[in-house]
Amino acid sequence: DIQMTQSQSSLSASVGDRVTITCRASQTVLKFLNWYQQKPGKAPNLLIYAASTLQSGVPSRFSGSGSGTDFTLTISSLQPDDFATYYCQQSYSLPLTFGGGTKVEI
Amino acid sequence: QVQLQESGPGLVKPSQTLSLTCTVSGGSISSSSYYWNWIRQPAGKGLEWIGRIYTNGNTNFNPSLKSRVIISEDTSKNQFSLKLTSVTAADTAVYYCARYDSNVGCFDPWGQGTLVTVSS
Repeated sequence: DIQMTQSQSSLSASVGDRVTITCRASQTVLKFLNWYQQKPGKAPNLLIYAASTLQSGVPSRFSGSGSGTDFTLTISSLQPDDFATYYCQQSYSLPLTFGGGTKVEI
Repeated sequence: QVQLQESGPGLVKPSQTLSLTCTVSGGSISSSSYYWNWIRQPAGKGLEWIGRIYTNGNTNFNPSLKSRVIISEDTSKNQFSLKLTSVTAADTAVYYCARYDSNVGCFDPWGQGTLVTVSS
């Protein structure tokens, strides 16, 4: 199994901050890496797929980068609606696996 | 716009079988580009992929659960289902169904999720 590690289980930030969330795979996943946002009591919502492609309808302040084993989700200017938990997920090989999540808190 | 909705008992006794159904609307589960998945999330924890079914009935499972999981489909009702046998308290979680787009390799959309508690 490919292990996905999000080293920050939580981070504190303020509105307007630039926020970077990292994800590391235990082996290469090429660019088969997705990012999801989850708010309390809700299902995850796709933000970025294929490492850097913004899902339709997702604000442009979200961006993704990386390839191989190291990936980054960046929020250029944190908005109140962005306080949530973010998960990475690899779709390179089965079983499909998720990172442990990074909670962005005020 | 495709929507998914989970349904099933919210309480299951230990050693019994958890059974959930996902009803898909706005699109067909027979579409060739998609897999139909089950994912779970224990309270306060991360996401675990359980398994998936393809339109031809082929299935894939997480090895950690493979011996206890059955995923099936009913194309006439546009539904797919999960059965998890011999449940324990460790299977208590919110269970989500989700579509996996094989063209881009991601889960979208997801159902709202349903909480299943394993308790006597």
